[in-house]
Amino acid sequence: GAGVSQTPSNKVTEKGKYVELRCDPISGHTALYWYRQSLGQGPEFLIYFQGTGAADDSGLPNDRFFAVRPEGSVSTLKIQRTERGDSAVYLCASSLNVVGELFFGEGSRLTVL
Amino acid sequence: ILNVEQSPQSLHVQEGDSTNFTCSFPSSNFYALHWYRWETAKSPEALFVMTLNGDEKKKGRISATLNTKEGYSYLYIKGSQPEDSATYLCAFMTGSSNTGKLIFGQGTTLQVKP
Repeated sequence: GAGVSQTPSNKVTEKGKYVELRCDPISGHTALYWYRQSLGQGPEFLIYFQGTGAADDSGLPNDRFFAVRPEGSVSTLKIQRTERGDSAVYLCASSLNVVGELFFGEGSRLTVL
Repeated sequence: ILNVEQSPQSLHVQEGDSTNFTCSFPSSNFYALHWYRWETAKSPEALFVMTLNGDEKKKGRISATLNTKEGYSYLYIKGSQPEDSATYLCAFMTGSSNTGKLIFGQGTTLQVKP
């Protein structure tokens, strides 16, 4: 019955490394979202899953970013060849349906040195 | 490019003051408008989901109105308390694609001084 869980809560990595961020949504929520929040900005849309498929990945900034949700539950956001500009809080949210309220995790803070 | 604008960017009020903020969004192809409260070191938490022009929603001392024809929503807080200090985010969903993509504004940060 827990809320949305994100791991790790903090990740420090070096430029050029590969990073995976994990999101465990609320059980039964078919919709899952990834957002990125930089200092002073609102959450920036990255990708939205309905079930196992990415319904809209138009927010992924480039081909270094990729996300999967193979069984329609847990999702992983993968970032290759990290750059300093990727430093941000990565937020995951889930909802019961398309128009329903989003339930957010506490975010994964990524710092690329 | 869909743009959601919030004003003011930040606000400082005294305990007991009433306050309001604005969210502006594209007036065409409206589907839904969300409001969230984001307290420091916590997750954003939903306040309201609004879908109909003229909608008014209320939760305790917080209320919101929606005008889809002119593309704005107001959030009101009556008698602000220090625990209301947070960033308030609005998010817009267009009906043109109906993929569930929510576009957020940059937020209004409220500080309530005791």
